Amino acid sequence: AQSVTQLDSHVSVSEGTPVLLRCNYSSSYSPSLFWYVQHPNKGLQLLLKYTSAATLVKGINGFEAEFKKSETSFHLTKPSAHMSDAAEYFCVVSLSNFGNEKLTFGTGTRLTIIP
Amino acid sequence: KAGVTQTPRYLIKTRGQQVTLSCSPISGHRSVSWYQQTPGQGLQFLFEYFSETQRNKGNFPGRFSGRQFSNSRSEMNVSTLELGDSALYLCASSFGRGGKETQYFGPGTRLLVL
Repeated sequence: AQSVTQLDSHVSVSEGTPVLLRCNYSSSYSPSLFWYVQHPNKGLQLLLKYTSAATLVKGINGFEAEFKKSETSFHLTKPSAHMSDAAEYFCVVSLSNFGNEKLTFGTGTRLTIIP
Repeated sequence: KAGVTQTPRYLIKTRGQQVTLSCSPISGHRSVSWYQQTPGQGLQFLFEYFSETQRNKGNFPGRFSGRQFSNSRSEMNVSTLELGDSALYLCASSFGRGGKETQYFGPGTRLLVL
């Protein structure tokens, strides 16, 4: 079975300060991990993904995440927050083995940017 | 390349009715998955279609069904609507199958059941 836990339901940071959104996963097999962002009344947009290549993954809009197998974590970071980063962020896990493509979503972290 | 499109974008139905939602994947993508998003349950996987066959199914009652056509377009049907079916229904497409494939999401269809 696979599962993902987003440790914070809501994070607030000031514009220009670093962002840290935490995610822990559980998977019996080698997982693929994704971060998606959802702006209000919009669909989900892929930020980045990890598929067993480099453990530090760079995504769009200055976001990056590091896969740490020993800690079963895949935290999302950004050095400097921008007002446009305000949105809901989802950590997602999928099994890498062929035949199970179901995405399992975390409960989401709402990111608020303080001007 | 056009993204995933979903129609209609908004829908209002009453209890007991049925509804059909449509999803057109990105050109060349053969896998289509459906998800339900609600404030209480979050994002939950409904089912996945590939080459006109349902390949994977989530834990939803049989009132939820779907199909995929030869051009990879997919429809989802919900019969005997209940108030709890009010949700944002998201469709996602990917080129192939496999956990490493990136799924691209459409804007969703927001269904309100009265």
